[in-house]
Amino acid sequence: EAGVAQSPRYKIIEKRQSVAFWCNPISGHATLYWYQQILGQGPKLLIQFQNNGVVDDSQLPKDRFSAERLKGVDSTLKIQPAKLEDSAVYLCASSLVRGMDWETQYFGPGTRLLVL
Amino acid sequence: DAKTTQPNSMESNEEEPVHLPCNHSTISGTDYIHWYRQLPSQGPEYVIHGLTSNVNNRMASLAIAEDRKSSTLILHRATLRDAAVYYCIQNNNAGNMLTFGGGTRLMVKP
Repeated sequence: EAGVAQSPRYKIIEKRQSVAFWCNPISGHATLYWYQQILGQGPKLLIQFQNNGVVDDSQLPKDRFSAERLKGVDSTLKIQPAKLEDSAVYLCASSLVRGMDWETQYFGPGTRLLVL
Repeated sequence: DAKTTQPNSMESNEEEPVHLPCNHSTISGTDYIHWYRQLPSQGPEYVIHGLTSNVNNRMASLAIAEDRKSSTLILHRATLRDAAVYYCIQNNNAGNMLTFGGGTRLMVKP
């Protein structure tokens, strides 16, 4: 089966510019996650969707970050305006059903963002 | 947040077994233990998970202490492709939200 797809793979922008990342989860997966991974650290969850509804966005910096999952399939994560500290890899993951704390998450390759 | 403790790095020789330890002293009775690994320039990938009993799959084995406060991921024969950061995660909520720590960087020498 096809894995989680993300684009672009790399992005370089200047601070105060806007950027958007796209994710297509594994077909049939109801739950979608966005993580931020700063160099040398483990991934940190930003937001979790169940179908097209937000389950948890407590760690999303809502003054500059936004995310949506229209129609419960693809998702976009946007940063506006970007700051230097947003330089990181943005990972998208999906899982079949929410609520199962043993359930496997499948990760995409990530988008590497560099803010200059 | 649930916290696990892992060594920052470990080294292994190729084709030898590797034992990666993890402490999760705050674990409760319903928390699962997950292991993921992240190869260079890739997203994390699932390795194994368990609750109380030891678990085996094609990638690895998971040995869970009787008091569940620690576990060990066992790679039976390390290969160069196993060089990665290994994350031990204690999942203590029903929403399947994984809290990653710093993980253990495994280096495999030929």
